[in-house]
Amino acid sequence: GDSVTQMEGPVTLSEEAFLTINCTYTATGYPSLFWYVQYPGEGLQLLLKATKADDKGSNKGFEATYRKETTSFHLEKGSVQVSDSAVYFCALGGAGSYIPTFGRGTSLIVHP
Amino acid sequence: DGGITQSPKYLFRKEGQNVTLSCEQNLNHDAMYWYRQDPGQGLRLIYYSQIVNDFQKGDIAEGYSVSREKKESFPLTVTSAQKNPTAFYLCASSNGTAYTEAFFGQGTRLTVV
Repeated sequence: GDSVTQMEGPVTLSEEAFLTINCTYTATGYPSLFWYVQYPGEGLQLLLKATKADDKGSNKGFEATYRKETTSFHLEKGSVQVSDSAVYFCALGGAGSYIPTFGRGTSLIVHP
Repeated sequence: DGGITQSPKYLFRKEGQNVTLSCEQNLNHDAMYWYRQDPGQGLRLIYYSQIVNDFQKGDIAEGYSVSREKKESFPLTVTSAQKNPTAFYLCASSNGTAYTEAFFGQGTRLTVV
């Protein structure tokens, strides 16, 4: 079945550092890929998405590129802020099921 | 604005009681889901529904029940059979087709007292 693997956290960075959170997937065919963000005590919000190979999703300075050859969708940001501290979930929506498949989440802590 | 609303935000339950968590959406979505999230853990699927009057068990359905009498509503009941109900509960919806994203409510934090 479909699955998503994310790097374990927490990821701890200083403000203005470069961020990468790795995400790889296993799926039948060519799924859509998503990154969600969850701030403390809140639900998940869609951060960005990509629907086909080589697409780049971007939002609020975050980017991720759909790499079919490496089955990856790594999240990057050039300069993180304290307000980016949250849990980030990688997810896919595939042909096998309408139910989205989530990774375990990666906690990001940004220090001033 | 369209969205998905969960209530209440905080809920306290005495041992042996059943409690019901509300989830309402006005996105005209066919599919709805309930997830449980424990501290430092990912999302675990409790129940899901693709159409009215039909729902399926997820990975951790024991001790929970749901109904889907209306397209916009998908309440979750945490029964006394759920031995460890303290958790953060998230409701979500989607248009019920493959490749599409889910939309989440703000969550309900349930605590057993």
